[in-house]
Amino acid sequence: EVVLTQSPGTLSLSPGDRATLSCRASQSVNSRYFAWYQHKAGQAPRLLIYGASSRATGIPDRFSGGGSGTDFTLTISRLEPEDFAVYYCQQYGTSTRVPFGGGTKVEIK
Amino acid sequence: EGQLVESGGGVARPGASLRLSCVASGFRFDEYGMSWVRQVPGKGLEWVSGLNWNGGDATYADSVRGRFTISRDNAKSSLYLQMHSVRAEDTALYHCVREDYLSYDAFDIWGQGTMVTVSS
Repeated sequence: EVVLTQSPGTLSLSPGDRATLSCRASQSVNSRYFAWYQHKAGQAPRLLIYGASSRATGIPDRFSGGGSGTDFTLTISRLEPEDFAVYYCQQYGTSTRVPFGGGTKVEIK
Repeated sequence: EGQLVESGGGVARPGASLRLSCVASGFRFDEYGMSWVRQVPGKGLEWVSGLNWNGGDATYADSVRGRFTISRDNAKSSLYLQMHSVRAEDTALYHCVREDYLSYDAFDIWGQGTMVTVSS
């Protein structure tokens, strides 16, 4: 069973800063089935990145995803006020396991 | 753009049964796999169960297998989660989600969720 570990748990940054979020898998995963989601309090989660590096419809280009094997990253090039939220990584596409990472909270410094 | 609306949550005693429903609109429901994902307040996301487009292939997280049953009615554009023998640890906000085949089955549409509280 794949376990996804996100780091850091919390990232304290200012608007305009660059944010780099990490997600490490306990074993190599198919990057075709790797995603990132944004979750704001009181709202439904939103798909940001699928296939490890493809932006979902309507997602600004300041969001980018990368990585392969066991190490994946989500980068926000310049934080906007609306980007402060919790971010989750996910490995999907398997028949019996769809793990999420524990989440990284991006908060205003 | 598509929309998912869940209902059926509430307060239940341990050991009771509950049935969650999700109605889809704005897209061809019968073309997509669907899943349920839950979130304990203040905690992370947990995938619960998934069902393919025609209802022929259901999958479950270990934590709910044997107690929960996922089903769908494509004629009604609806997804269901029948919950039996609920436990305190099933307390969570339950989201209905669409698996988008164009994005390799990533979860591209989420409902706002329906809250289930299991308490004696």
